[in-house]
Parts: sequence; C-alpha cells; structure tokens
Amino acid sequence: EVQLLESGGGLVQPGGSLRLSCAASAFTFSSYAMSWVRQAPGKGLEWVSTISGSGAGTYYAGSVKGRFTISRDNSKNTLYLQMSSLRAEDTALFYCAKGIGAADLSNFDYWGQGTLVTVSS
Amino acid sequence: QSVLTQPPSVSAAPGQKVTISCFGSSSNIGNNYVSWYQQLPGTAPKLLIYDNNKRPSGIPDRFSGSKSGTSATLGITGLQTGDEADYYCGTWDSSLSAVVFGGGTKLTVL
Repeated sequence: EVQLLESGGGLVQPGGSLRLSCAASAFTFSSYAMSWVRQAPGKGLEWVSTISGSGAGTYYAGSVKGRFTISRDNSKNTLYLQMSSLRAEDTALFYCAKGIGAADLSNFDYWGQGTLVTVSS
Repeated sequence: QSVLTQPPSVSAAPGQKVTISCFGSSSNIGNNYVSWYQQLPGTAPKLLIYDNNKRPSGIPDRFSGSKSGTSATLGITGLQTGDEADYYCGTWDSSLSAVVFGGGTKLTVL
C-alpha cells in the first residue's frame, strides 16, 4: 500500500528555516510528480509546490516563491521542502501528496498525514 | 479569497442527492482538468474525482464529476452520514502557473 510519511515540522521563530521530508514507499517513486500542500488551522487547502518525477521541473505558489525549495532524492524515495524566511502566515499542516503521473501537476491521489509547522516567537 | 469559488456549505438528508459547484475562469477550469477531494474531520484529503469525471479505484459510483465551460460540479447520490466532510475542487491555473483550490464546501447530512 502506498505510504507517505512526513517529518521535520515543529516550532520555529519568524525568519527561521526548516526542512520537511516525506518518505515514500510501495510505488516507483521516480515515476510520479510529488507535491506539498498546506492547510492553515481551520482553513482550506493551499498548494505550495510540485516537482516532476525526474526532478527537472519545479513549480511554486507565489506566496512561497523565493523562500521555499522543493527537491527529491529518487535513490532514497524521499521528497523535501526547504523553507526559509518563515513567516507567521506559513503556520500550517503540511501534506506530502503523490501525483497521478510523472508530470501530473494537479491530481493528488495519495496524501500523507501531514507535519505541523508553527512559526511563532 | 480563493481563485475557485465554492459554496461554503450544503446539506441534504440521508439517501438524497447533493451537488457541489465550483466556479472558475478560462485560465483554470475552462482549459484544464478538475479534481475533487473529500476531507473527513481530522484526516488528510482523499481524491474522489480527477480529470473532470474519472473515479480512482475504490471510489464508489455514488460520486460523480462533470464540467461545463468554467464551472465544475461534484454530485453525490445516496447520501450517508459518513459523507459528512469538507469537499474541495482543484485545478491548474495557466495564468498563475499554479495549482488552485476552491475554498471548500462543508457537507452536512441531516
């Protein structure tokens, strides 16, 4: 069964950095685009970033462009999100999500349980 | 303010049918596929519909999707109390070069 296990969340001060990881299993990781989607407390879903299966293509929401970097290590079946210059409005549950295809940017067929990022002084 | 517009809430009785609308524009729904997600309380979202009207394996045919112009609709028939959840539409926006979601619709099964 496909599993996505996020880690790396926690409490960080404004302006700080954090790296999230998502360990994937039970599918050919390099064959699928992977994404990060976040959900602020009590709010709706907000797409953050997507990376193609090969890693050659990366896409970012305007709200995080220049501050967040998505990457993947296909040899380790792991997705990453490096976050810097964090702001209070970045506080959210961050989900790792699997795309339906290698270049599928907007269909997410499996989701992890999320890792909570809290930005506060 | 979400790029895609959904009603904040809908309700219907058990066994009945409900539809949830999602309104966008030519840069998103009008020229791209739409997906729908169900988020039960305290859980991660689950894909219900992709490519406008396709159901992933394991999703019952009580759930259906359609698209017309710049709007999309999720239909749920034979409502069950277990269908109470938040429902989100999503698609690619070609102008923003971004995935966009609706604000979500809370379904109450009375």
